[in-house]
Amino acid sequence: DTGVSQDPRHKITKRGQNVTFRCDPISEHNRLYWYRQTLGQGPEFLTYFQNEAQLEKSRLLSDRFSAERPKGSFSTLEIQRTEQGDSAMYLCASSLAPQGFIEAFFGQGTRLTVV
Amino acid sequence: DQQVKQNSPSLSVQEGRISILNCDYTNSMFDYFLWYKKYPAEGPTFLISISSIKDKNEDGRFTVFLNKSAKHLSLHIVPSQPGDSAVYFCAASAGTASKLTFGTGTRLQVTL
Repeated sequence: DTGVSQDPRHKITKRGQNVTFRCDPISEHNRLYWYRQTLGQGPEFLTYFQNEAQLEKSRLLSDRFSAERPKGSFSTLEIQRTEQGDSAMYLCASSLAPQGFIEAFFGQGTRLTVV
Repeated sequence: DQQVKQNSPSLSVQEGRISILNCDYTNSMFDYFLWYKKYPAEGPTFLISISSIKDKNEDGRFTVFLNKSAKHLSLHIVPSQPGDSAVYFCAASAGTASKLTFGTGTRLQVTL
């Protein structure tokens, strides 16, 4: 399978707990993005990496959120002290740049439910 | 503020007819536009894109039209097929910025 892979697919956690999600991009892609999607909304940008460098963070990414891409391959997104408002689908995408603008390919997402 | 708007939350079309999905944007810096299709429990799948230097791009049954003066784009699917039933998201990007700004989506149902 050469697509974007996310793990886990589903996560239920209690409020206040920490959670970590993993994303494995398409192997030759140097850009990796995290988005969040809530019910009835389109995906909202959180952050992106080019190789291992985190180049942009949305104001949606509070200090409870941290993302890493230590070797420029897979990435992790950690949410500390989860809140019910963090319940959403977390989507990872990857693309190859610069080669013009190449469309981003999305994984299947991790659905987080905070209870 | 919603920079990319899809004002029709749903659309129902008969099989074989044309589906037209609309999208409006407010940010004049957007210069690349994309359509994604999303099935339940899956991530969005890229469908078709258009650069601001063009006003039309075709790929098989899918055509995207861009009207820059009106800040409007549309996706035409013809003929529509039941497998096209999904949520369609319009997305836009500004220059070399990597992030995509998405609309809220339009749920298309193609009926027999």
